[in-house]
Amino acid sequence: AQSVAQPEDQVNVAEGNPLTVKCTYSVSGNPYLFWYVQYPNRGLQFLLKYITGDNLVKGSYGFEAEFNKSQTSFHLKKPSALVSDSALYFCAVRGAQTGANNLFFGTGTRLTVIP
Amino acid sequence: ETGVTQTPRHLVMGMTNKKSLKCEQHLGHNAMYWYKQSAKKPLELMFVYSLEERVENNSVPSRFSPECPNSSHLFLHLHTLQPEDSALYLCASSQDHGGNTGELFFGEGSRLTVL
Repeated sequence: AQSVAQPEDQVNVAEGNPLTVKCTYSVSGNPYLFWYVQYPNRGLQFLLKYITGDNLVKGSYGFEAEFNKSQTSFHLKKPSALVSDSALYFCAVRGAQTGANNLFFGTGTRLTVIP
Repeated sequence: ETGVTQTPRHLVMGMTNKKSLKCEQHLGHNAMYWYKQSAKKPLELMFVYSLEERVENNSVPSRFSPECPNSSHLFLHLHTLQPEDSALYLCASSQDHGGNTGELFFGEGSRLTVL
């Protein structure tokens, strides 16, 4: 069975500090992994994805994520947080052999960047 | 106009009302989705249409009825809803529901409140 765990409901970080939003997954076969961001009163926006290749993936707005197969993790990171990064972040996974209708989302992590 | 557009953005209805949510995508995609977003729960996939054919129905109550007249438009017809159906309903589209990497493009959502 496929699943995604985002262990932290809330992450607070000071502006300028590095941030990490955690995600672990469970899927059969090779995973396709995604991060989406949701700003207040908006829909989800795609940030980045891991399909294959380099374990470090770079995405929009200076975000990056590292795929770790042994730990089944795909943590989202940014070297220096901005107040405008405050939003709800969703990790998602599906198996490489399945379609987009088998995309499983986590419960979301609310990131607050403190000025 | 580009992207995925949802109307109305906010809807308040009684349990005996009949209303519809509308989604329109201007991205030339051939797959469209309805998701339900409730607080602190994973996004719930409700319906998937690919090339205007329904390919997924995740045990959604019959009080929700989807309609996809063409590849650019998707409706969610609502009738005799329950208060627990209050949520943010998100529409999404993708290039292909089966073979692509699964990147979804979301609308801004319709916030539904059932009294």
